[in-house]
Amino acid sequence: DVVMTQTPVSLSLAIGQPASISCKSSQSLVHSDGKTYLSWILQRPGQSPKRLIYLVSKLDSGVPDRFSGSGSETEFTLKISRVEAEDLGVYYCWQATHFPHTFGSGTKLEIK
Amino acid sequence: AVQLVESGGGLVQPKESLKISCAASGFTFSNAAMYWVRQAPGKGLEWVARIRTKPNNYATYYADSVKGRFTISRDDSKSMVYLQMDNLKTEDTAMYYCTAAGGDWGQGVMVTVSS
Repeated sequence: DVVMTQTPVSLSLAIGQPASISCKSSQSLVHSDGKTYLSWILQRPGQSPKRLIYLVSKLDSGVPDRFSGSGSETEFTLKISRVEAEDLGVYYCWQATHFPHTFGSGTKLEIK
Repeated sequence: AVQLVESGGGLVQPKESLKISCAASGFTFSNAAMYWVRQAPGKGLEWVARIRTKPNNYATYYADSVKGRFTISRDDSKSMVYLQMDNLKTEDTAMYYCTAAGGDWGQGVMVTVSS
């Protein structure tokens, strides 16, 4: 199985500060079709998950452009240019290139 | 707007069966691969199963932890996806979410397996 290693485990940031979350996979996430099926998911407290980014760097509709995704092969990053209060929650990376699909263990973002 | 509404959860005893459902609307359901993802209390997300579309022969895939016990299916005429869960174990206790290719997610349905 592909292991997704997320760091850090938690972040405590003030409003307006930048955030960066790393996700490393145990093998390349490039599919045979040439696409990289790496997504970033946010789960706010008490809510169901919500996808923010797919195919490494494509923002879902309605997601603020302060979010960005980058990376390739086995190393990926989610960045928030300026954290806002609504960004608190747990962030997961998720690969759907290989079976079984696997999630990272999550990064909890707290607002100071 | 896209809506995914899960139903059918509840409390069951170990080794029993349960079928949960997900009603989809607001998008072309027949064109979307559908997934089930679960989350045990206080834990992270775990992918459970995936079903592809008719052009892909409705191919199904499962996590090792549920293979042979769970069956994912879909009814494109009703825009529904199902998860038949047999021989349930206490470790299957979780909130179960359906998601359309990982994009839109439902609110989840709780399944509790306990004697």
